[in-house]
Amino acid sequence: AQKVTQAQTEISVVEKEDVTLDCVYETRDTTYYLFWYKQPPSGELVFLIRRNSFDEQNEISGRYSWNFQKSTSSFNFTITASQVVDSAVYFCALAKYNAGNMLTFGGGTRLMVKP
Amino acid sequence: GAGVSQSPSNKVTEKGKDVELRCDPISGHTALYWYRQRLGQGLEFLIYFQGNSAPDKSGLPSDRFSAERTGESVSTLTIQRTQQEDSAVYLCASSLQGGYGYTFGSGTRLTVV
Repeated sequence: AQKVTQAQTEISVVEKEDVTLDCVYETRDTTYYLFWYKQPPSGELVFLIRRNSFDEQNEISGRYSWNFQKSTSSFNFTITASQVVDSAVYFCALAKYNAGNMLTFGGGTRLMVKP
Repeated sequence: GAGVSQSPSNKVTEKGKDVELRCDPISGHTALYWYRQRLGQGLEFLIYFQGNSAPDKSGLPSDRFSAERTGESVSTLTIQRTQQEDSAVYLCASSLQGGYGYTFGSGTRLTVV
C-alpha cells in the first residue's frame, strides 16, 4: 500500500520568509513518481513538479526548490522569499511507475503568507 | 479543449436523488481519473480509465457510485441515492498516458441536503 504524509496541516509565514513544506511517503515499489500540486482558493489543482524515483537530483525553479531524499522517503518543497500569492493548499502525491496508475495524495498543507 | 472541463461547477441535490457529473478531458489524453475531495481534506482516488482497457474501479466507495467513459472522450460519474456524506468536490484529471502530467479540472462541488 502507498501512503503520503504531510504532517504540517497549516503554516503561517510573513511575506519574504522562506518556508519548507514536508512530505514523507511510503511505498513498496522501487520505482515511482512523486508530485507536488498547488490548490489556490479557486480550487483548481496546479501541477508544480513531477520527479521519478531514480533521479535524486534536487531541482530549483525560480523561488521553488525540491529536496528529494530517497533514504528518508521524503520529498520536501521550499518556497524562498514567499509572497502573498503563494497562499494555497499544497499537496504532495505519489504514483506507481507503471503507466496509468492513480495518484495517492497527502492530506495537504495550507500555507498562509501574510503581508 | 485547452483544459479539463467539468460540469456543473456546483450542484445542490436532495438526499436520495441521483446525480450525474460530467468531465471533458483534454483532447488526445487517453487516461482519465476521478477523485473526491471532502472539505479540508486531501484527494481520494475513485476510478481510472485508460484507453479501451477495463477501468480501475478500486476507489469507488460503494455500489451507488459508477462511472462511464465514451472512448477517449467524455466521462460521467453517477451517484445514485445520494447521501449527505457524498457532499464533496469531485475532481477529474486527464493525462496523455498514466504517470505523466495530470491536468485537473476545476471540479464539481456537490452538496447533498
